Amino acid sequence: DQQVKQNSPSLSVQEGRISILNCDYTNSMFDYFLWYKKYPAEGPTFLISISSIKDKNEDGRFTVFLNKSAKHLSLHIVPSQPGDSAVYFCAATILVSGNTPLVFGKGTRLSVIA
Amino acid sequence: DVKVTQSSRYLVKRTGEKVFLECVQDMDHENMFWYRQDPGLGLRLIYFSYDVKMKEKGDIPEGYSVSREKKERFSLILESASTNQTSMYLCASSSGQGDTEAFFGQGTRLTVV
Repeated sequence: DQQVKQNSPSLSVQEGRISILNCDYTNSMFDYFLWYKKYPAEGPTFLISISSIKDKNEDGRFTVFLNKSAKHLSLHIVPSQPGDSAVYFCAATILVSGNTPLVFGKGTRLSVIA
Repeated sequence: DVKVTQSSRYLVKRTGEKVFLECVQDMDHENMFWYRQDPGLGLRLIYFSYDVKMKEKGDIPEGYSVSREKKERFSLILESASTNQTSMYLCASSSGQGDTEAFFGQGTRLTVV
């Protein structure tokens, strides 16, 4: 049973436009969410996170929105740049238990076209 | 800077061989993890450890074992490699002290022939 779902395997966006990557989760115990970015042949790198007590977190061009009632989060990238082309993974965990591993979605491959 | 180092970037092994994948972190993190990444399947947790000599099974532990004799080192062992274990293996660590961000190594691309 997949607890974290990224239903779009791929997304293509023109350079300069907004990229919106979506993620849904089923476990209502999750209270902390993260986005990771992964280039081919490299390990994932942390991008941005959000706690369940917030509904928005912003860091430069990256904003994550959380809708707890819908169990849905999204990552917005504005403006999109060719260097943003990568696979993006959504992850979730239970913060109250510091030893709970991150649960990842299957990833969305973003292609930003110049 | 946090550093998680995996001993090999690329490995080719034969079916039936015993394979060791090594991972070392330099941030005194309590938690260490092994994931594998396959196309269309995302990152799946194999094993994790939240203390020296402690280990917990993840979602897909079959065919694998782990060893954590020192805090900074977490080894993944393929007891008898099979072709369906051809994958990208990723090691990660986290502090486990309310900071849930996990830091990943560069990955090991293992091919079993």
